[in-house]
Amino acid sequence: AQTVTQSQPEMSVQEAETVTLSCTYDTSESDYYLFWYKQPPSRQMILVIRQEAYKQQNATENRFSVNFQKAAKSFSLKISDSQLGDAAMYFCALKGGGSNYKLTFGKGTLLTVNP
Amino acid sequence: EAQVTQNPRYLITVTGKKLTVTCSQNMNHEYMSWYRQDPGLGLRQIYYSMNVEVTDKGDVPEGYKVSRKEKRNFPLILESPSPNQTSLYFCASKRDREGYSEAFFGQGTRLTVV
Repeated sequence: AQTVTQSQPEMSVQEAETVTLSCTYDTSESDYYLFWYKQPPSRQMILVIRQEAYKQQNATENRFSVNFQKAAKSFSLKISDSQLGDAAMYFCALKGGGSNYKLTFGKGTLLTVNP
Repeated sequence: EAQVTQNPRYLITVTGKKLTVTCSQNMNHEYMSWYRQDPGLGLRQIYYSMNVEVTDKGDVPEGYKVSRKEKRNFPLILESPSPNQTSLYFCASKRDREGYSEAFFGQGTRLTVV
């Protein structure tokens, strides 16, 4: 069974500052993929960034980057130069290498950005 | 525009009254799936479909049915809704079984069963 744990139910950051959201996971598979999704008040699920487990290099997408620690099974999201529009619920998700494309989600971290 | 469309976006119904939430994607994706989102629990998979006429249970299938008669459509059916099915529902589609390809989500359906 796969599990994803987000230990921070809520986080806050000042505008223009940097914040890191934590995620740990567990899987018995050697081939898997990790994702961070953003859910703003509109409820839309938006893919922020993704990482293939076999790649050692950390993924980056503009102001968003991850710190992928495979041995520790950790996949944290760093948001640099935080903007008011970054305020949302953030979900960490894991997909194993099987044929079911199921994403296993964490419980989410609600990020508040203070002006 | 590539999208996954769910209808309705909001629904209030009474216990036991059958309902269907529709989901349609215009990307010719093979994989489609339904999730429910509950506070403090994240999203959990209800059912998934790998192609037309191929469906299987996810983690929380009890009380739900699905069908996949056409590639683009994947309706979620609640034969006899109960209050514990009050939730936010998401349909998602994905191009193929490759793990890296992006899953596209619908706008969500807020269901309340009274």
